[in-house]
Amino acid sequence: DGGITQSPKYLFRKEGQNVTLSCEQNLNHDAMYWYRQDPGQGLRLIYYSQIVNDFQKGDIAEGYSVSREKKESFPLTVTSAQKNPTAFYLCASSIGTGGEQYFGPGTRLTVT
Amino acid sequence: QKEVEQNSGPLSVPEGAIASLNCTYSDRGSQSFFWYRQYSGKSPELIMFIYSNGDKEDGRFTAQLNKASQYVSLLIRDSQPSDSATYLCAGGAGANSKLTFGKGITLSVRP
Repeated sequence: DGGITQSPKYLFRKEGQNVTLSCEQNLNHDAMYWYRQDPGQGLRLIYYSQIVNDFQKGDIAEGYSVSREKKESFPLTVTSAQKNPTAFYLCASSIGTGGEQYFGPGTRLTVT
Repeated sequence: QKEVEQNSGPLSVPEGAIASLNCTYSDRGSQSFFWYRQYSGKSPELIMFIYSNGDKEDGRFTAQLNKASQYVSLLIRDSQPSDSATYLCAGGAGANSKLTFGKGITLSVRP
């Protein structure tokens, strides 16, 4: 059963702690993306990767970091430098950049 | 700055009516357009994509693209309460480009 998985679904952290969100896909897609969505807002691109061992900053990369060591995996670390980390985080993948993207179920992060 | 605008909304229609959702874009190089449906608390789900001028139909959904006027729309015929959701429009400029998403339009279908 192909798809994109994100874990955990809900995550709670104290301010000042780094946290890593998991994203795995078995669709054999080359491109993967991380978005952030705030209430009533659209999707804002954090980072994207077109190929293994390569990634580019999106529109709001400050305070975030990623790695792409395997085609299937694209974890996102929310660092303590991110000023407003509480949000709904969505991972997506596509065969190549520019094509239709498919989303995982999302991780809702709350930092207090 | 490439923008995709979805300015109208929220939209409320009675059950059985046609819902028309509109989207405009600023990048004339945009070649591909996507409509996503997002239920409250869930992730976006791709429902339609369109690359060529004109209409593309899939069941109750019709996507319309007019590149000269730089707009794309989604028509939902025979709207059902289960269509109540936020609809996101996205545009891309072809291979090796990122998608730009609009902020979404919230549709409510009244029983």
